[in-house]
Amino acid sequence: AQKVTQAQTEISVVEKEDVTLDCVYETRDTTYYLFWYKQPPSGELVFLIRRNSFDEQNEISGRYSWNFQKSTSSFNFTITASQVVDSAVYFCALSEAFGETSGSRLTFGEGTQLTVNP
Amino acid sequence: EAQVTQNPRYLITVTGKKLTVTCSQNMNHEYMSWYRQDPGLGLRQIYYSMNVEVTDKGDVPEGYKVSRKEKRNFPLILESPSPNQTSLYFCASSFRGGRYNEQFFGPGTRLTVL
Repeated sequence: AQKVTQAQTEISVVEKEDVTLDCVYETRDTTYYLFWYKQPPSGELVFLIRRNSFDEQNEISGRYSWNFQKSTSSFNFTITASQVVDSAVYFCALSEAFGETSGSRLTFGEGTQLTVNP
Repeated sequence: EAQVTQNPRYLITVTGKKLTVTCSQNMNHEYMSWYRQDPGLGLRQIYYSMNVEVTDKGDVPEGYKVSRKEKRNFPLILESPSPNQTSLYFCASSFRGGRYNEQFFGPGTRLTVL
């Protein structure tokens, strides 16, 4: 069975601070995909990134960066120089890569509410 | 424009009054799913469908029904809604064998059962 844990329920920072959102996962699959989604106050889910389990390179996109460590089953998300518009709920998710039902579901973490104060 | 649509976006109803939330996608995706989102629990899959007339239970199917008579549509049916089904619901679709298993989400339906 797959499981994703986001232990930080809520994080509050002041604008321009760096903040890291933690994600730890469990899976028996050797190949899988990891995702991060953002849910702003308007409620829709915004796709941020996906990562293959066989690609452990870290990724940077503007102020966002992701640290994937297979050895610790973690896929952490860092926002550098946070802004008020980053305030949202962030979800980490996991998907199996192969198999008859691969692609039919995502296993989500509990979500982390990030509040960036001016 | 490629998209997943859900209707209604907001719904307030009373216990026991049957309702249907529609979901439609225009991307010819084989897979479709329903999730519910609750505080502290993240999103949990209710039902999924791998193709027309093929559906299966997800993690929290109790109290829900689905059908997949056409490839593009995957309605969620609550035959006798109860207050514990008050939640934010998302429909999603994806290609079978799609690159990275990317799922496309609808905008969400906020349901309140009084």
